[in-house]
Amino acid sequence: GEDVEQSLFLSVREGDSSVINCTYTDSSSTYLYWYKQEPGAGLQLLTYIFSNMDMKQDQRLTVLLNKKDKHLSLRIADTQTGDSAIYFCAESMGSGGGNKLTFGTGTQLKVEL
Amino acid sequence: DAMVIQNPRYQVTQFGKPVTLSCSQTLNHNVMYWYQQKSSQAPKLLFHYYDKDFNNEADTPDNFQSRRPNTSFCFLDIRSPGLGDAAMYLCATSREQYNEQFFGPGTRLTVL
Repeated sequence: GEDVEQSLFLSVREGDSSVINCTYTDSSSTYLYWYKQEPGAGLQLLTYIFSNMDMKQDQRLTVLLNKKDKHLSLRIADTQTGDSAIYFCAESMGSGGGNKLTFGTGTQLKVEL
Repeated sequence: DAMVIQNPRYQVTQFGKPVTLSCSQTLNHNVMYWYQQKSSQAPKLLFHYYDKDFNNEADTPDNFQSRRPNTSFCFLDIRSPGLGDAAMYLCATSREQYNEQFFGPGTRLTVL
């Protein structure tokens, strides 16, 4: 079955790095995603990684994937107050012509001055 | 700008009174999705359309229906809303099956 887990909260100081972790159980996932959700808003796609990759870097964001341990992480360098939000990881599998995303429980990131 | 638009942003309905939520997209994507997100929970896929083909998730209640009259629009119909259906409803699109999904801002539904 599909089960994606994240720690609920993370608090960091402005300028520090944030690392948000995610574990998943379905090894047949094709892509893994990171989405950001600000209060009362929809989901903003931050970045994604194909399942045969180990790492992807995109400006301040670094995604690491350990497929053996089914562990995904998102590192945000030089965290800013505007990064405060809930971060969801998601795994995807094809389904009926679409792409079913199973989301993690979400990690609330709080950035303190 | 190409985008995913949801109307209304906030919807209040009465217990048992049918309600329709709307999603439109200017991305010309083939796939449209509806997710339900309850307070402090992860979004949960209800169903999706690949072009005109409807794909229902096994655990989506019969109370939830969807229509996609053309490429640009997709509707979520809740036939008899219960108090437990109060949630944020998110629409998303993807170009094809394995492409990333782009989300609209969501419609927050309140059931009185």
